[in-house]
Amino acid sequence: ETVLTQSPATLSLSPGERATLSCRASQSVNNYLAWYQQKPGQAPRLLIYDASNRAAGIPDRFSGSGSGTDFTLTISSLEPEDFAVYYCQQRRNWPPLTFGGGTKVEIK
Amino acid sequence: QMQLQESGPGLVKPSGTLSLTCAVSGDSISSSSNWWSWVRQPPGKGLEWIGEIFHSGATNYNPSLKSRVTISVDKSKNQFSLKLNSVTAADTAVYYCASRPFYFDYWGQGTLVTVSS
Repeated sequence: ETVLTQSPATLSLSPGERATLSCRASQSVNNYLAWYQQKPGQAPRLLIYDASNRAAGIPDRFSGSGSGTDFTLTISSLEPEDFAVYYCQQRRNWPPLTFGGGTKVEIK
Repeated sequence: QMQLQESGPGLVKPSGTLSLTCAVSGDSISSSSNWWSWVRQPPGKGLEWIGEIFHSGATNYNPSLKSRVTISVDKSKNQFSLKLNSVTAADTAVYYCASRPFYFDYWGQGTLVTVSS
C-alpha cells in the first residue's frame, strides 16, 4: 500500500498569505496524484489532478507541482473561502486508492 | 451534471450489516466509463477508500476491509450499493459515494452511519 504523508498537519496563515502544503509518498506514484479541498460538513472537491492540472472551475491561485514521491500544493494568496482541509490522493499503486491524512489551513 | 445521493439507515447495531445505496443521476452506470466508489470518513478524521465497481461488475476493494465488504450495481435502477458486515464502533463514519474515471470528480453529500446498540 502506498502511504501518503502530508505536512504540516495544521497551517496557520492570514488572508493574502501564500500557503505551501506537502504530500510525500512512500513509493513513486509518478504524477498520478490529486489534491482535494474539504470544508466542514461538505464532501471533498477535486482541485488538482495528475499533480499539476487544475480541475474545472478551480481558480488559478491554486497550483500543484511534483512527481515521483514529493508533491506540493500552493495557494498563492489565501482567500477567506480557502480555509479548509486539504487531502492528497494517489491512483498509481491501486488497489487500494489512498489518501493522505490531510492538512488543515486555518486563519491565524 | 452528474449527481449522487446516498441513502440507508443511520444507525446499525454492533455485529450487524451496514447497507447503503447510491442513486446516480445525470449519467448512466451501464454506459459510463466511470468507476463507482465508496469512501468513508470517521468523525474528525481523514478519508478512507472502501472500494469500487465498474458497470461490468468488476470490483476492487481496500484489502483492510475486503473480507467484510461487498459492492454491487443495479443497472436497472442506475444505482450501486455497499454492504459492510460485522460492524463495530470503528465503522462509525460519514460514508460518501463518489465516481471517477481517474480521480473523484463527483461526490454524494455523505451520510453519517453510527454503529451503536
